[in-house]
Amino acid sequence: AQSVTQPDIHITVSEGASLELRCNYSYGATPYLFWYVQSPGQGLQLLLKYFSGDTLVQGIKGFEAEFKRSQSSFNLRKPSVHWSDAAEYFCAVGSSGNTGKLIFGQGTTLQVKP
Amino acid sequence: EAGVAQSPRYKIIEKRQSVAFWCNPISGHATLYWYQQILGQGPKLLIQFQNNGVVDDSQLPKDRFSAERLKGVDSTLKIQPAKLEDSAVYLCASRHPGEQYFGPGTRLTVT
Repeated sequence: AQSVTQPDIHITVSEGASLELRCNYSYGATPYLFWYVQSPGQGLQLLLKYFSGDTLVQGIKGFEAEFKRSQSSFNLRKPSVHWSDAAEYFCAVGSSGNTGKLIFGQGTTLQVKP
Repeated sequence: EAGVAQSPRYKIIEKRQSVAFWCNPISGHATLYWYQQILGQGPKLLIQFQNNGVVDDSQLPKDRFSAERLKGVDSTLKIQPAKLEDSAVYLCASRHPGEQYFGPGTRLTVT
């Protein structure tokens, strides 16, 4: 069955420190992978996506993610965190078919200390 | 470009009452999704439309939830009767190939 696991429910980092959010997936075929961010009271905003090609993907707001097929992982990174990055982050796997259905992980809440 | 619109933003009802949510997708997007996001969890797909036809409603509790998308544009999601466990944020999304765009959601509290 398709699934996404985000092992860290809550992460706290200091402003200016680096960040890595973990994501592991289970999917039978080549996955489409996504990272979304959700600020309080807001909908989900796409940070980046991976379909194929270069396994290091650049996104908005200075985020990047690396697809590692051997580890079934798609971890999100940012070299220097800003206070405005505090939010909830969701990893998702999507069908490569026409449905585009997304399966989400449970999310990681990021807190940024001043 | 206008985003996905949803209303109302917040709704409080008592259990066994009915409630309806409305979604207006981005113009031209044929695919529309309704997700349920329970506090502390990721969104879970309830139903997917392609134009005005249902593609996937395998996770929709059909004894109490219903959804329609008339004319392949706007969509409504209804719960009748509501239960306490229906308290959640209901997200609507529409899809352009390769990406889903999400609305702000409707936060439902069932008391």
